[in-house]
Amino acid sequence: QVQLVESGGGAVQPGGSLKLSCAASGFAFSNYGLHWVRQAPGKGLQWVAAITYDGSNKFYVESVKGRFSISRDKSKNTLFLQMDSLRTEDTAIYYCATDGHPTVTTPHYWGQGTLVSVSS
Amino acid sequence: QSALTQPASVSGSPGQSITISCTGSSSDVGHFYLVSWYQQHPGKAPKVLISEVNKRPSGVSDRFSGSKSGNTASLTISGLQAEDEADYYCCSYASSRVIFGGGTKLTVL
Repeated sequence: QVQLVESGGGAVQPGGSLKLSCAASGFAFSNYGLHWVRQAPGKGLQWVAAITYDGSNKFYVESVKGRFSISRDKSKNTLFLQMDSLRTEDTAIYYCATDGHPTVTTPHYWGQGTLVSVSS
Repeated sequence: QSALTQPASVSGSPGQSITISCTGSSSDVGHFYLVSWYQQHPGKAPKVLISEVNKRPSGVSDRFSGSKSGNTASLTISGLQAEDEADYYCCSYASSRVIFGGGTKLTVL
């Protein structure tokens, strides 16, 4: 079955950086688009970024453009999210999710999430 | 980038049916047949219930169904059960971005 395991979260000061990883198994990694979605404490879901099956196209929510970078490594079946210039409002649980298609449509299967806490 | 509009809460008794609406615009829900619905229990990750407006992934109960009319998508849960008490989110593709609804808390009375 599809398994997505996020790691790399933690506590960081404003202006700092973190790199999240998402190890995938149980499906043909190179055939599907992938997403990062976050959820601030007590709040709803917010889409953050997505990447197509081959990594050729990347999309971001406006609030993270220029600060976050999504990438994937097919040799390691792993999705990444490089987060720079972090702000307190980036505090959230970050989920990785598969798409149901090779392109980017909507998230399908989800991991359990990793917590990112940005504070001074 | 406005979120899709969902009611904050809905409620129903066991055995009843409820419907949760999700209103967007002609640029998202109304334009693409790419609306998904998710269920999230407290402290858990979201789980997909419906994709592409009305497709149920393998393993999802047929008590859950989706539809769309114009700029509004809907999730119907029939034969309500206590375990259905959770938060529900809609989501739509919208040309190089993805937007979520604000979420609806379902209470089973």
